[in-house]
Amino acid sequence: AQSVSQHNHHVILSEAASLELGCNYSYGGTVNLFWYVQYPGQHLQLLLKYFSGDPLVKGIKGFEAEFIKSKFSFNLRKPSVQWSDTAEYFCAVKGGGATNKLIFGTGTLLAVQP
Amino acid sequence: DAGVIQSPRHEVTEMGQEVTLRCKPISGHNSLFWYRQTMMRGLELLIYFNNNVPIDDSGMPEDRFSAKMPNASFSTLKIQPSEPRDSAVYFCASSLGTGHTPLHFGNGTRLTVT
Repeated sequence: AQSVSQHNHHVILSEAASLELGCNYSYGGTVNLFWYVQYPGQHLQLLLKYFSGDPLVKGIKGFEAEFIKSKFSFNLRKPSVQWSDTAEYFCAVKGGGATNKLIFGTGTLLAVQP
Repeated sequence: DAGVIQSPRHEVTEMGQEVTLRCKPISGHNSLFWYRQTMMRGLELLIYFNNNVPIDDSGMPEDRFSAKMPNASFSTLKIQPSEPRDSAVYFCASSLGTGHTPLHFGNGTRLTVT
């Protein structure tokens, strides 16, 4: 069965600090990987996705993530965070093929201090 | 594009009452998902439909929960009878196709059962 682990539950950073949020998944086959962001009081929005090709994917607002197949990881990074990046970040995995089931990690709450 | 529309935004009810949550997916999307979000468990997939047919309901916690999708533009999630532990934010999401297509989330229904 698919599962997703996010190791950091809460992260506090100062503005301009670099960010890396960990995500590991458990699934033996081809996967599609996603990062979603949930700003306070809002619904989840897609940040970026990986399904094939270049393992380094770039998303909106300067975020990027790297798929490392050997480590079953899909960590999210941003070189310099802003106060407006304060949100909860969810990693998600979907098995390849016909399945449409998207499994989310427990989320990482990021607080950026001005 | 109006996005995924959920109603109501907030629901407060007493234990034992029936609760019905509603969702209108994005027009043309053929997959619909119900998720529950709590502090303790994060985002849990309850059930998803493909072309109005329930594909996987393994996440539905108990028989008190039921979901229907009578047509491509409407779905309901019903809890009968409701219990305080059902208090959560319930998100509906829709997507087009399978594989790497992302989910589009509604704004959620915040349910409080007293």
